[in-house]
Amino acid sequence: AQSVAQPEDQVNVAEGNPLTVKCTYSVSGNPYLFWYVQYPNRGLQFLLKYITGDNLVKGSYGFEAEFNKSQTSFHLKKPSALVSDSALYFCAVRDRGSTLGRLYFGRGTQLTVWP
Amino acid sequence: KAGVTQTPRYLIKTRGQQVTLSCSPISGHRSVSWYQQTPGQGLQFLFEYFSETQRNKGNFPGRFSGRQFSNSRSEMNVSTLELGDSALYLCASSLGGGVINTEAFFGQGTRLTVV
Repeated sequence: AQSVAQPEDQVNVAEGNPLTVKCTYSVSGNPYLFWYVQYPNRGLQFLLKYITGDNLVKGSYGFEAEFNKSQTSFHLKKPSALVSDSALYFCAVRDRGSTLGRLYFGRGTQLTVWP
Repeated sequence: KAGVTQTPRYLIKTRGQQVTLSCSPISGHRSVSWYQQTPGQGLQFLFEYFSETQRNKGNFPGRFSGRQFSNSRSEMNVSTLELGDSALYLCASSLGGGVINTEAFFGQGTRLTVV
């Protein structure tokens, strides 16, 4: 069965420091991988995706993610965190054999960036 | 280009009532999915529609149903509401039609409270 794990419920980092939000997955075959961000009382906002090709994917607002097939991981990173990055982050996967809208989500990681 | 529009944003209903939520996808998108978000269960997939046909369904009771119209707008209905149905309901739209490497775009959600 497909599953996504975000091992940290909370990540705290000082502004200006690099941040990493971890994600590992268990999906048959080669999945499509996504990161979304959610601000309070809002929907999910797309950050970036891995479809194929380079293992390092660049996305919106300076975020990037590294796909590691052997470790089945897709960690979200940013070289220098901003206070405005504080939000709830979700990793999601889609089985290549599944329909477009069928995503499996992790439980989310609350990122807090303190000044 | 307008994003995914969900109406209403907030709803308060009484146990036993039924409710209908609406979603207008991004213009040109033909795939619409619905998700339930709760603190306890996280993001759970309800169902997905494409060209007025249900393509995929999650593990929810039959009280949860949906449909899609010819203009791709979608509605979901929950009958005989229970307290546990209180959640943020998110709609996502995707291009569909064989475009497989695309992401889903989410609406702001409808916050349903059952009292």
